[in-house]
Amino acid sequence: QVQLQESGPGLVKPSGTLSLTCAVSGGSISSTNWWSWVRQPPGKGLEWIGEIFHSGSTNYNPSLKSRVTISVDKSRTQFSLTLSSVTAADTAVYYCAKSNWNYGTFDYWGQGTLVTVSS
Amino acid sequence: EIVLTQSPGTLSLSPGERATLSCRASQSVSSSYLGWYQQKPGQAPRLLIYGASSRATGIPDRFSGSGSGTDFTLTISRLEPEDFAVYYCQQYGRSPLYTFGQGTKLEIK
Repeated sequence: QVQLQESGPGLVKPSGTLSLTCAVSGGSISSTNWWSWVRQPPGKGLEWIGEIFHSGSTNYNPSLKSRVTISVDKSRTQFSLTLSSVTAADTAVYYCAKSNWNYGTFDYWGQGTLVTVSS
Repeated sequence: EIVLTQSPGTLSLSPGERATLSCRASQSVSSSYLGWYQQKPGQAPRLLIYGASSRATGIPDRFSGSGSGTDFTLTISRLEPEDFAVYYCQQYGRSPLYTFGQGTKLEIK
């Protein structure tokens, strides 16, 4: 049973950089799966941010691509998100998730972590 | 860019009733790559349906999915109290690579 756990600062200043890490347990980060970040502003819907394969290959949402970097640390079985030049619009619950390689759906999710952008 | 439009925005029903939720895509979606999720307040989404019609592990058989092309449906045959939540559809493959609908809130009447 794969388990995912997000961690990182809950408060980031405007124009700063948001950095989160997702720890993977109960499964191999080097398996044939893609690992994603998804966010949800308070009271709103879900937005996919980007994904990474264990090889380091990435795909990003075009709407965020210029500000997003996702990286993987296989030795520590975790992957990370950095989002630069944040504004209040980036305030959201950030989830990490594992996508099913065959169906493109997210079958495992972390509990989510709220990141607030405020001075 | 593909857009998934869910209807209705809010659905008010009573326990025991049948719920029918719609997801319409602005471009054709492969049935293999259409999923449905349930989200309760303060919780992460939970995968219900993948491949448009296959139930995820542990999902009761009162949940069923159907559809193809641009029109997909999630049906809950007999509502249980724990089914009242927000439901999202999601596609994979079109740009952006993963897209969610805006959600349908299923509330107790």
